[in-house]
Amino acid sequence: GESVGLHLPTLSVQEGDNSIINCAYSNSASDYFIWYKQESGKGPQFIIDIRSNMDKRQGQRVTVLLNKTVKHLSLQIAATQPGDSAVYFCAENKSWSSYKLIFGSGTRLLVRP
Amino acid sequence: GAVVSQHPSRVICKSGTSVKIECRSLDFQATTMFWYRQFPKQSLMLMATSNEGSKATYEQGVEKDKFLINHASLTLSTLTVTSAHPEDSSFYICSAPLGGPRETQYFGPGTRLLVL
Repeated sequence: GESVGLHLPTLSVQEGDNSIINCAYSNSASDYFIWYKQESGKGPQFIIDIRSNMDKRQGQRVTVLLNKTVKHLSLQIAATQPGDSAVYFCAENKSWSSYKLIFGSGTRLLVRP
Repeated sequence: GAVVSQHPSRVICKSGTSVKIECRSLDFQATTMFWYRQFPKQSLMLMATSNEGSKATYEQGVEKDKFLINHASLTLSTLTVTSAHPEDSSFYICSAPLGGPRETQYFGPGTRLLVL
């Protein structure tokens, strides 16, 4: 079946270091991808998105890379801060006519002071 | 940025009762909203698509008679969990896309439901 990011790893980084969170997707028809951050007890917060006609997009302290050949998505966070500690989800949308998102299982980011 | 609100943020109810959760887009109109359920330490699972002026579309395995959805206006969708049971206890989250198709989806803060 369809899946995005089957595993739920935990990434522990030192404050100030860069973080890289990975996501694998299985549907080659997907052409829009989004990263969300979810803090405990809260709804997901939009971080950055990318469309399949791009392979890289940068935001403030964040960069998303898309490798369609191997169906891989990554989120890079520069100079990780304690406030970045959360669960990060990648999500995909595979239909131009639909808003529906399929979420991955998430990665927990822990920032050590 | 766009804001989506939910009410209530937390609800505790007895088994067999019905609970209504509201989702509002505060500064934009949304003809489509989405309802998700999230169990502890798990990802978000799409339950249904709420459509203004028409019936909701439910994902496979989601009982439409148990989870009633009404999209009353361009800024309000409600999810009613009917005859709630302990296994319905979960974190319910709504989202709404800003603008046209494939635009950014903004999520509400979620509603924690505990059924005793």
